[in-house]
Amino acid sequence: GIQVEQSPPDLILQEGANSTLRCNFSDSVNNLQWFHQNPWGQLINLFYIPSGTKQNGRLSATTVATERYSLLYISSSQTTDSGVYFCAVVSSNDYKLSFGAGTTVTVRA
Amino acid sequence: DAGVIQSPRHEVTEMGQEVTLRCKPISGHNSLFWYRQTMMRGLELLIYFNNNVPIDDSGMPEDRFSAKMPNASFSTLKIQPSEPRDSAVYFCASSPTGNSPLHFGNGTRLTVT
Repeated sequence: GIQVEQSPPDLILQEGANSTLRCNFSDSVNNLQWFHQNPWGQLINLFYIPSGTKQNGRLSATTVATERYSLLYISSSQTTDSGVYFCAVVSSNDYKLSFGAGTTVTVRA
Repeated sequence: DAGVIQSPRHEVTEMGQEVTLRCKPISGHNSLFWYRQTMMRGLELLIYFNNNVPIDDSGMPEDRFSAKMPNASFSTLKIQPSEPRDSAVYFCASSPTGNSPLHFGNGTRLTVT
């Protein structure tokens, strides 16, 4: 099956800092989503972004499908941004959403 | 839109007991997925339904696990008998089609003692 690698595995930020999370995948994809799992365990949809660039407030994402990677940008981080960020993909010949191992983000006040 | 609704939110049971987890997908969504999340294995797909029909159950760990979707608005995941290694968070997710954004419920945290 498709492989999904996220980096870095852990990230500690001071409030107000900017950061970039990366997701590499091993095959062409029809679907790519970024999720935030908050400290209560909820999986929150951030972006559906199989290609291109999207922005939502302080968050933005870019997927370069031809080079098989996606980036999630967090600007002016806040303590509420803490949690685990997952990248998940569906390969072009499949329907299963396969998850990366996640990046654990800790934002300190 | 109420989102994907799962119940119960938490379940604590003793080894050997039957456990039933419930899911109500978003109205109009044709695809339903059950995932399990553990520290060791991350998020794993257990089973996928499309139009109430199980399409892929290759992720179901063993015969103790079964899932049903009797209609478009309800699905269950049953474990009988439960074992301590089944302790995990179980998520239900739905999407309009098999290749659209997935929307997750809040999960059921299962603890088997």
